[in-house]
Amino acid sequence: EPEVTQTPSHQVTQMGQEVILRCVPISNHLYFYWYRQILGQKVEFLVSFYNNEISEKSEIFDDQFSVERPDGSNFTLKIRSTKLEDSAMYFCASSPTVNNYGYTFGSGTRLTVV
Amino acid sequence: DQQVKQNSPSLSVQEGRISILNCDYTNSMFDYFLWYKKYPAEGPTFLISISSIKDKNEDGRFTVFLNKSAKHLSLHIVPSQPGDSAVYFCAAKTGNQFYFGTGTSLTVIP
Repeated sequence: EPEVTQTPSHQVTQMGQEVILRCVPISNHLYFYWYRQILGQKVEFLVSFYNNEISEKSEIFDDQFSVERPDGSNFTLKIRSTKLEDSAMYFCASSPTVNNYGYTFGSGTRLTVV
Repeated sequence: DQQVKQNSPSLSVQEGRISILNCDYTNSMFDYFLWYKKYPAEGPTFLISISSIKDKNEDGRFTVFLNKSAKHLSLHIVPSQPGDSAVYFCAAKTGNQFYFGTGTSLTVIP
């Protein structure tokens, strides 16, 4: 069964460093998303991406965040200068269309900022 | 502002009985609702969904009910199995954005 793959599964970084979280969405999906879940809190929407541009973003997704689809298969989330409060599980997801329930999550990357 | 709420953080049910997970929402513009199951250290896994034009959708042991007038969504699992023990998130969609509840931890006791 097709799956969304995220790497690495766990990333530890020092405060102020840049991190790139990688995702390989399902190959025929067109919409891509990043979510995060801070420990003990709800899953929060960060950004959606379609046709090589951001289609929607939340207020969490400020200037320190960026997304990119560099090569047609990877979908990356970059955090420019990490803060302690960026520590969370980051989930990538993809879907064939906006309204299709084939909305599939990756297994997540645990980011720990120290 | 939490637009999707799961007011029960945890639920315990005997194996074989019915599990009922509840979710309330505030935004009448939501057009699609989903339930996800999440095991520790894994990403949420899609379970079942329902469009806002329906009031019930069934898939095997899982049934989702939507009461639009009450802005209430529920997931019924029957019969419950120990493997169903996980955190269940409800989510609602409007446009391109999903809103998740905080989750309910279900424990099915053998």
